[in-house]
Amino acid sequence: GQQLNQSPQSMFIQEGEDVSMNCTSSSIFNTWLWYKQDPGEGPVLLIALYKAGELTSNGRLTAQFGITRKDSFLNISASIPSDVGIYFCAGQRNSGNTPLVFGKGTRLSVIA
Amino acid sequence: DVKVTQSSRYLVKRTGEKVFLECVQDMDHENMFWYRQDPGLGLRLIYFSYDVKMKEKGDIPEGYSVSREKKERFSLILESASTNQTSMYLCASKTTWWGGGYNEQFFGPGTRLTVL
Repeated sequence: GQQLNQSPQSMFIQEGEDVSMNCTSSSIFNTWLWYKQDPGEGPVLLIALYKAGELTSNGRLTAQFGITRKDSFLNISASIPSDVGIYFCAGQRNSGNTPLVFGKGTRLSVIA
Repeated sequence: DVKVTQSSRYLVKRTGEKVFLECVQDMDHENMFWYRQDPGLGLRLIYFSYDVKMKEKGDIPEGYSVSREKKERFSLILESASTNQTSMYLCASKTTWWGGGYNEQFFGPGTRLTVL
């Protein structure tokens, strides 16, 4: 099955730095989502994007739905130790019960 | 709060055993999903169900089966566990989208299965 191309695979950053990660696809999605998974837990939704070009913020997080509907990025500003975890992008083609397609994840480590 | 619970956080089984992983959600969601998560491979969909007694194969159904006899419960079954099924298993649920916006998919905490 298809998976989204998510990069980078992992990042080591200093506390206070900004972080950027992105996701691309060869096909169009109608919804883009970003999830975070804390160690030992299931993923939790951070941001959902519904329209091409949409830019949405959630605290220090900002995500954009690409104009072509084939990509999305997530930025985290002024990182803190609790940002550590795995970040997943996900796309959904249609409404209803169509399963999400996930990226392979970006593992973020923050050095205090 | 939506809650998705999984029967075990950690499970150790032997090769050839039949293994049941249970998932229960308390928000009357129609759709339920089973994923496995492996390092570097992300989340891969095993099976999903959009209604009681309904099931659909995901991307990697081989070696697994599922059961959904009640709306709130979705079981993943490993008929004869093998070492390559050692993994983290995540259950998720969501309601069906009827209008604008997106209905969030909620995940359980995961079951880390080790097959020896």
